[in-house]
Amino acid sequence: EPEVTQTPSHQVTQMGQEVILRCVPISNHLYFYWYRQILGQKVEFLVSFYNNEISEKSEIFDDQFSVERPDGSNFTLKIRSTKLEDSAMYFCASSEQGGSSYNEQFFGPGTRLTVL
Amino acid sequence: AQSVTQPDIHITVSEGASLELRCNYSYGATPYLFWYVQSPGQGLQLLLKYFSGDTLVQGIKGFEAEFKRSQSSFNLRKPSVHWSDAAEYFCAVGPFTGGGNKLTFGTGTQLKVEL
Repeated sequence: EPEVTQTPSHQVTQMGQEVILRCVPISNHLYFYWYRQILGQKVEFLVSFYNNEISEKSEIFDDQFSVERPDGSNFTLKIRSTKLEDSAMYFCASSEQGGSSYNEQFFGPGTRLTVL
Repeated sequence: AQSVTQPDIHITVSEGASLELRCNYSYGATPYLFWYVQSPGQGLQLLLKYFSGDTLVQGIKGFEAEFKRSQSSFNLRKPSVHWSDAAEYFCAVGPFTGGGNKLTFGTGTQLKVEL
């Protein structure tokens, strides 16, 4: 069964460093998402991406964050200069379609980011 | 703005007992409601969803949920819990009107099953 994969499973970095979290969405999916979950808090939407551009983003997704689909398979989240408060579990998701019609979002297992 | 509340952070039930996980939502229109489950080391898996129609929806793994508009609730139930149901459960609401697939999640309920 096709699934969303994410690498690495755990990333430890120093404050101020850049990190790139990688996701491989399901191959025929067109919409991609990043969510995050700070320990003990709720899962929060960060950004959605379609047709090589951001379709929606939350207030969390500031200039420190960027997303990219560098090739036909990967979808990445970059944090330019990490802060302690960026420590969280980051989930990638993908769906066949999006917009005004619902399509199930399939989630990856997450990347745990620890900023020291 | 839409929001989801899961009042129970932790719940412990005995195997074979019934289960009800509570979810309350706040949303200005007819909501699209979801329950997801997350096992350790796994991603979020969709258990069931409600869009419209019959207010009692069936999902995978023997779960069901009932939408009650008057109570703004979408509680998840299972008649007989199995040890493998131990996981974290998230209720979520989505707009899907006028574009956008953003899901808004609750804080989750951690389910422990005692043998």
